[in-house]
Amino acid sequence: SQQGEEDPQALSIQEGENATMNCSYKTSINNLQWYRQNSGRGLVHLILIRSNEREKHSGRLRVTLDTSKKSSSLLITASRAADTASYFCATDASGANSKLTFGKGITLSVRP
Amino acid sequence: EPEVTQTPSHQVTQMGQEVILRCVPISNHLYFYWYRQILGQKVEFLVSFYNNEISEKSEIFDDQFSVERPDGSNFTLKIRSTKLEDSAMYFCASSEAGRGLMNTEAFFGQGTRLTVV
Repeated sequence: SQQGEEDPQALSIQEGENATMNCSYKTSINNLQWYRQNSGRGLVHLILIRSNEREKHSGRLRVTLDTSKKSSSLLITASRAADTASYFCATDASGANSKLTFGKGITLSVRP
Repeated sequence: EPEVTQTPSHQVTQMGQEVILRCVPISNHLYFYWYRQILGQKVEFLVSFYNNEISEKSEIFDDQFSVERPDGSNFTLKIRSTKLEDSAMYFCASSEAGRGLMNTEAFFGQGTRLTVV
């Protein structure tokens, strides 16, 4: 798999349900960041988790990081139709110049 | 809330023409980046910039590309002779710190959609 690879590629859920999206990566990292992108629009930063952190919360978002498995998950609780977007994980590799390596993204559809 | 702004939002240009994409990073940020996203594909790193020089560039960032910080606020990406395959969304980003010294978020602009015809 490539650095910053998300799964599933697409996810469709009902409003009110929780959405879980996963990301795997290959190299060691400084941090991992999740972004949201509405169709054809810019990237909105959601949350950053450092390599020495295991879990982080921000509102309805919960991110976990397992550096032993080189994986992260993004949980959106009580989803809303407005959460419909593409979600990307991006890794900042240790020792790098803080450039981010993005995955292909997950398309989340929340049905009202 | 401070944000990264990019202009124009959409640019159409003829193949072979030069284009300049403009960005105003967040004012207290020190590190600036350009990324691009070809339609339906991954967001790809192009170049990072710090202290008035390029920190790192990807293999995409060939001699056709250049970046400049012409004054204290703007950060530009120039493509000298555009090709059809340069059509993409170009994102500017900035962060307070880089080089792995601190873990800080990179904030992205809304992007410039470049269409080369």
